[in-house]
Amino acid sequence: EVQLLESGGGLVQPGGSLRLSCEASGFTFSDFAMSWVRQAPGKGLEWVSGITASGGTTKYTDSVKGRFTISRDTSKNTLYLQLDNLRAEDTAVYYCAKDTEWLVAFDVWGQGTVVTVSS
Amino acid sequence: SSELTQDPAVSVALGQTVRITCHGDSLRRYYATWYQQKSGQAPVLVMFGKDSRPSGIPDRFSGSSSGNTASLTITGAQAEDEAEYYCKSLDSSDSHLVFGGGTKLTVL
Repeated sequence: EVQLLESGGGLVQPGGSLRLSCEASGFTFSDFAMSWVRQAPGKGLEWVSGITASGGTTKYTDSVKGRFTISRDTSKNTLYLQLDNLRAEDTAVYYCAKDTEWLVAFDVWGQGTVVTVSS
Repeated sequence: SSELTQDPAVSVALGQTVRITCHGDSLRRYYATWYQQKSGQAPVLVMFGKDSRPSGIPDRFSGSSSGNTASLTITGAQAEDEAEYYCKSLDSSDSHLVFGGGTKLTVL
């Protein structure tokens, strides 16, 4: 079964850091680009960041550039998102998603992990 | 603000046809991708490319595009189609992805 399992969310103070993980199973992780998408409470979906299958290219939405870092470890079949200098507006459910092709369509999603930024 | 614009809410009678639209300049160059999200659940891919449905998505879902508008049509809407629908595309500068604001579909 193709599956993505996120972890690492939690409550953090403004200015703090978290590292989100997304463990993939049921498919050849190294063959596919991956992305992170977030959803603030009661709001719509927002693409956060993407990484190519090789890890050689990364992209970020403007609001997280310089604060978030996406990476992947093929040996562990795991996608990461390092969140630094967190702000209240980063509070959201963070989903990882598998791409059919680079930035085309997300055909597999995780269940999400909740990040709350509050003092 | 989103570069893709969707109507916030649409309703359809059970068994009737409904079209959900998405407007944006980038849609002149790129196909929209459509996701369905039911309350409390992760999104599900329902349409991508010119008119491609992932396996498991009923054929009552179809996609089309004209000019700066992409459409997701549900022919014979069912109660289980009630959900939020989001379009997605590359932005006009090709630098990142953008989602539309979402359309809440109510099946009456």
